[in-house]
Amino acid sequence: DVKVTQSSRYLVKRTGEKVFLECVQDMDHENMFWYRQDPGLGLRLIYFSYDVKMKEKGDIPEGYSVSREKKERFSLILESASTNQTSMYLCASSPTTSGGSEQYFGPGTRLTVT
Amino acid sequence: AQKITQTQPGMFVQEKEAVTLDCTYDTSDQSYGLFWYKQPSSGEMIFLIYQGSYDEQNATEGRYSLNFQKARKSANLVISASQLGDSAMYFCAMREKGTGANNLFFGTGTRLTVIP
Repeated sequence: DVKVTQSSRYLVKRTGEKVFLECVQDMDHENMFWYRQDPGLGLRLIYFSYDVKMKEKGDIPEGYSVSREKKERFSLILESASTNQTSMYLCASSPTTSGGSEQYFGPGTRLTVT
Repeated sequence: AQKITQTQPGMFVQEKEAVTLDCTYDTSDQSYGLFWYKQPSSGEMIFLIYQGSYDEQNATEGRYSLNFQKARKSANLVISASQLGDSAMYFCAMREKGTGANNLFFGTGTRLTVIP
């Protein structure tokens, strides 16, 4: 059974803090993704990675960076958190780059920046 | 332009009835894939069903079926015999050929409420 875990379900941080969101998958997937989800906007892709140490910007990368030092772990970093980064953050992984391979999602981290 | 459009912010359905959730998409690719996900109040995204652009038959998975109309660029989700546990947010998503790493574009979602 595929499992994607995220380090926290709920997180409260102060403006200006550096924030790390961790994601781990246990199925040896090549591809990993970070999304943010906001009401009325659906899921928007922040960054993705198709291999260790490889990363690509998604639709809304501003204010975020990522790190993938090991295949199973993909970290999202908010260098200096701001209130407009209050959101639900979802991590996902996927085994292939084509066909009907769905993405497997973690439970999400609800981040509040005050 | 939005790649995925879900025009129904909210839908209500009586328990045991069928319901259709609308999804239209926009792509110039010939090869693409369409996905539906369910998100209960717990927050986790659950994969429901997949339709490939070259699949001639509509996809079905248990009580879920995908009404794929390629010429109209629509991929509506049909849930038959609704259950109370079907109350959730539902997202339509698309993967285009050539997008790296199996990227998905998501719609804004439809909140389905099943009424007892």
